[in-house]
Amino acid sequence: EVQLLESGGGVVQPGGSLRLSCAISGLTVSRSAMSWVRQAPGKGLEWVSTINTSGGSTFYANSVKGRFTISRDNSKNTLFLQMNSLRVEDTAVYHCAREVDIASGSHYGHWGQGALVTVSS
Amino acid sequence: DIVLTQTPLSSPVTLGQPASISCRSSQSLVYSDGNTYLSWLQQRPGQPPRLLIYKISNRFSGVPDRFSGSGAGTDFTLKISRVEAEDVGVYYCMQATQFPHTFGQGTKLEIK
Repeated sequence: EVQLLESGGGVVQPGGSLRLSCAISGLTVSRSAMSWVRQAPGKGLEWVSTINTSGGSTFYANSVKGRFTISRDNSKNTLFLQMNSLRVEDTAVYHCAREVDIASGSHYGHWGQGALVTVSS
Repeated sequence: DIVLTQTPLSSPVTLGQPASISCRSSQSLVYSDGNTYLSWLQQRPGQPPRLLIYKISNRFSGVPDRFSGSGAGTDFTLKISRVEAEDVGVYYCMQATQFPHTFGQGTKLEIK
């Protein structure tokens, strides 16, 4: 069974930093591109970032580019999202998700429960 | 960026009756490999999203066959043949053909 478990959320002041982690089990991590998707309170889903299997290619939403950094440690089956220069509008539940299952071509088939990030003074 | 527009945004449905949600893309979602990476996700209250349909019409593992997807190019549809109480939630279409991946606004399915 595939399990994704986020941690590291919390309350931070505007301009501050947080690092989210996502512990991954039940799949071959080194063969899985991974993503972060967020959902502001009462709002829809917003893709944030994707990293390829090796970590050599990363993609970001314009809203976070230059402030957030996605990374992975395949030896520890863990995905990260370093968030700097946080803004009030970054307040959201952040989900890690499996970006693609190469065998089927399905995207976002597995999701974590999410970590709440609140940016407030 | 590709914009996905869903209609309706709210859908009150009687139990046992069908429901249909439309998703229109601002540009073709056909990828260079010939596949169309259009998916449908369900989000029940207080839960993370759940993948229902991928590549337009393929049901994900464990998804009941009352859910079906269709369409091509820029116009797609999710259908529920007979709505059950557990289907209440918000439904999103999303595209993974091109970065940034984008989602529709969401359609809230509720029981009349």
